[in-house]
Amino acid sequence: EAGVAQSPRYKIIEKRQSVAFWCNPISGHATLYWYQQILGQGPKLLIQFQNNGVVDDSQLPKDRFSAERLKGVDSTLKIQPAKLEDSAVYLCASSLAGTRNGELFFGEGSRLTVL
Amino acid sequence: SQQGEEDPQALSIQEGENATMNCSYKTSINNLQWYRQNSGRGLVHLILIRSNEREKHSGRLRVTLDTSKKSSSLLITASRAADTASYFCATVTQGGSEKLVFGKGTKLTVNP
Repeated sequence: EAGVAQSPRYKIIEKRQSVAFWCNPISGHATLYWYQQILGQGPKLLIQFQNNGVVDDSQLPKDRFSAERLKGVDSTLKIQPAKLEDSAVYLCASSLAGTRNGELFFGEGSRLTVL
Repeated sequence: SQQGEEDPQALSIQEGENATMNCSYKTSINNLQWYRQNSGRGLVHLILIRSNEREKHSGRLRVTLDTSKKSSSLLITASRAADTASYFCATVTQGGSEKLVFGKGTKLTVNP
């Protein structure tokens, strides 16, 4: 079974530039999550999708971050304009049964460095 | 906001020894999950324990849950160098959203 795919693995940008990350979840997984993990910390949920709909985006900085999940499959996370504090690993995860009944499957992450 | 807090923040042991990591949380939970993260990689699920369970085993892993103390522990027996990683507990709040909230993690180093 193919895992969660993410790209790019690494990205270096200047502050105020924009960046986009792509995620392809495991086939058949209805729920998709984007987490931000700053060095030395645990992952923080940015946004959770159930199929096409947003379930939770309470911690997404909506003035600069946006995410979409077209057709309930792939998802993109965009940052515009980037700030220095956005330097982090952006992890995408998916689940079949949701967090009350099962595990999350994570991709390898996209490491963003903002200079 | 972070629900779980792991203790210790870092742990260094010799191969063959047991490693114990603790997690405390603040609100009532539906379940608690442990994940492992190797350096530069994504997280891998280890065990899920529900609020009505007290102990679960998976291979060399043993997880306990004490809901009265709002705490959990992860025991890795007969550790190996390959167990070197960061370990995170994560909780799903009872009755609330399905948000999985992670702690800051314990960095385990197993020396050969």
